[in-house]
Amino acid sequence: AQTVTQSQPEMSVQEAETVTLSCTYDTSESNYYLFWYKQPPSRQMILVIRQEAYKQQNATENRFSVNFQKAAKSFSLKISDSQLGDTAMYFCAKPPLLNDMRFGAGTRLTVKP
Amino acid sequence: DVKVTQSSRYLVKRTGEKVFLECVQDMDHENMFWYRQDPGLGLRLIYFSYDVKMKEKGDIPEGYSVSREKKERFSLILESASTNQTSMYLCASSSYREVTDTQYFGPGTRLTVL
Repeated sequence: AQTVTQSQPEMSVQEAETVTLSCTYDTSESNYYLFWYKQPPSRQMILVIRQEAYKQQNATENRFSVNFQKAAKSFSLKISDSQLGDTAMYFCAKPPLLNDMRFGAGTRLTVKP
Repeated sequence: DVKVTQSSRYLVKRTGEKVFLECVQDMDHENMFWYRQDPGLGLRLIYFSYDVKMKEKGDIPEGYSVSREKKERFSLILESASTNQTSMYLCASSSYREVTDTQYFGPGTRLTVL
């Protein structure tokens, strides 16, 4: 079974600083997608960023970027200039072959004023 | 924008009751999913469906069943609710037309079984 591992159950960061959330995964595929989802308190899960494995360039969406290390099977999320609204659970996810999704256990990020 | 809705945000049921959780999506997505979310365990897949009347077991199907009679609607059924099914239930949908496998989530139903 494919697994996705997030080793940081909780993290905190000061407003305006940068924080990196870690994720590792297991796969035998050569091409695949990886995702970071965000779940704000009592709100809907939304997609933050996605990365296609065959692309060399790391994905970036405004203040969110990834560090994708294919050989190491590592997919970390960097949040720059952290804002109070970034406080949320963050889930790393990877679909196995059949289009369903496997999620990590999540990292609870708190942005402090 | 894709909209995925779930019939209830909060639900309280008693042990042994039959429970229906409904999910509707409005983007003509082929794929629909039911997850449960528990602290420290992330999201675990219960069942998913690739098409009307099709269903596939996920990682934790025991105690659950599903129904997909129409493309836009995917129901999760707890035949006889038990206290260990107290959890947050999330529905999601996706489409083959999007090559990126992105899933779109509903707001969740927090189910408490007493």
